[in-house]
Amino acid sequence: EPEVTQTPSHQVTQMGQEVILRCVPISNHLYFYWYRQILGQKVEFLVSFYNNEISEKSEIFDDQFSVERPDGSNFTLKIRSTKLEDSAMYFCASRTTPNTEAFFGQGTRLTVV
Amino acid sequence: RKEVEQDPGPFNVPEGATVAFNCTYSNSASQSFFWYRQDCRKEPKLLMSVYSSGNEDGRFTAQLNRASQYISLLIRDSKLSDSATYLCVVNMWGGGSQGNLIFGKGTKLSVKP
Repeated sequence: EPEVTQTPSHQVTQMGQEVILRCVPISNHLYFYWYRQILGQKVEFLVSFYNNEISEKSEIFDDQFSVERPDGSNFTLKIRSTKLEDSAMYFCASRTTPNTEAFFGQGTRLTVV
Repeated sequence: RKEVEQDPGPFNVPEGATVAFNCTYSNSASQSFFWYRQDCRKEPKLLMSVYSSGNEDGRFTAQLNRASQYISLLIRDSKLSDSATYLCVVNMWGGGSQGNLIFGKGTKLSVKP
């Protein structure tokens, strides 16, 4: 069964460092998303991406965040200068249309120290 | 203002019990609705989509009342493997939104032998 894959599964980084979280969406999907979940809190939308551009972003997705689809398979989230409060589980998701089931990757646990 | 509200839980039930989850949403423009389940420190996984006419999948029944902005999930004959957090999810699309999923905080279910 096709699945969304994310790497790494766990990343520890020092405050102020840049991190890149990687995702490989399901191959025939066209809509891509990043969500985050701080421990004990709800899953929150960060950004949606379609047709090689950001289609929507939340208030959380400020200038320190960026996304890229550098080739036909990868979808990355970059955090330029990490803060302690960026520590969370980051989930990538993809789907065929904006109204169908979204498939989530297993997540990257980011710990900023 | 909470966009998607769920029973806070946790629900602790014996095997074989019937358990009901309730959810309300605030945005009447919401387009589609889902129940996801999330196991501890794992990604959300689709349990079922929710349709206006109501839908059933084995032991699971979902209902949607658009007039009341209310969604429910019923689990019959609960199993130990049903233990998880159940997430009510509202999908926003159209009007510039590309399928932004809004999650409730989730209701934790523990099924005991």
